[in-house]
Amino acid sequence: DIVMTQSPESLAVSLGERATINCKSSQSVLYSSNNKDYLAWYQQKPGQPPKLLIYWASTRESGVPDRFSGSGSGTDFTLTISSLQAEDVAVYYCHQYYSPPRTFGQGTKLEIK
Amino acid sequence: QVQLQQWGAGLLKPSETLSLTCDVYGGSFIGYYWSWIRQRPGTGLEWVGEINYSGTRDYNPSLKSRVTISVDTSKKQFSLKLTSVTAADTAVYYCARGRVAAAPVYWGQGTLVTVSS
Repeated sequence: DIVMTQSPESLAVSLGERATINCKSSQSVLYSSNNKDYLAWYQQKPGQPPKLLIYWASTRESGVPDRFSGSGSGTDFTLTISSLQAEDVAVYYCHQYYSPPRTFGQGTKLEIK
Repeated sequence: QVQLQQWGAGLLKPSETLSLTCDVYGGSFIGYYWSWIRQRPGTGLEWVGEINYSGTRDYNPSLKSRVTISVDTSKKQFSLKLTSVTAADTAVYYCARGRVAAAPVYWGQGTLVTVSS
C-alpha cells in the first residue's frame, strides 16, 4: 500500500498570510506513460463531504479560487494557500489515486491565528 | 450537474450487514470510477473500495473479505454491502464518482452508520 504522510497535523495562519501543507508518499505516484502525478488535494469542512481542490498534483478544479495551488512530483507534494481567507478553515487531505488501495493522508487541520 | 444521493440503514447491530445505495443524477453513468469512502468519528478518510468502468472491483485489503460493491446501470445506482459489522465499522460512509481517473470528484451527502447492540 502507498502510505501518504502529511505535515503538519495542524496549522494556524493569520488572515492574508500564506499556508503551506506538505504530503509525502511512500512510493512515487508519477505514472511514466503519461507523465502525470496521480495526486489530489481535498478540503473538508465540518458536516460536509470532501471537496476536490487539485488533481494531477497541480491542476485546479473548476471553481476553486486561484489562491489555492498544488506543486510537486514523484513523492513530495505541497498545497499552498497564498492568502488565507476565513472560509479556508477546514481539514485538508492529500490522496493518491495511482493504484489501489487508494489512500489518503491523515489530514491537516487549518485554523486562523 | 452530477448529484449523488445516498440512502440506507443508519443503525445496525453487531454481525448484521451494512447496505447502502447511491442514486446518480445527471451526467453519463458509463466510463467512470465509483467509490465508497468512510470516515470514522473524529478521524480521517478511509477508502473502502471501488468499481470501475470495465467492472473491475478493488477493495481495501482490511475489509476485502466482507465488502461488495456493485453497479446497476439500468437504475443508475451503485451499492455497498459490508457483512458482519462491528462497532469498528461505525462511520460516515460516502459514495463518490470520479471524473479524473479514480480521484473522487462528486460526493454523496454521507450516511452515518452506527453499529451498536
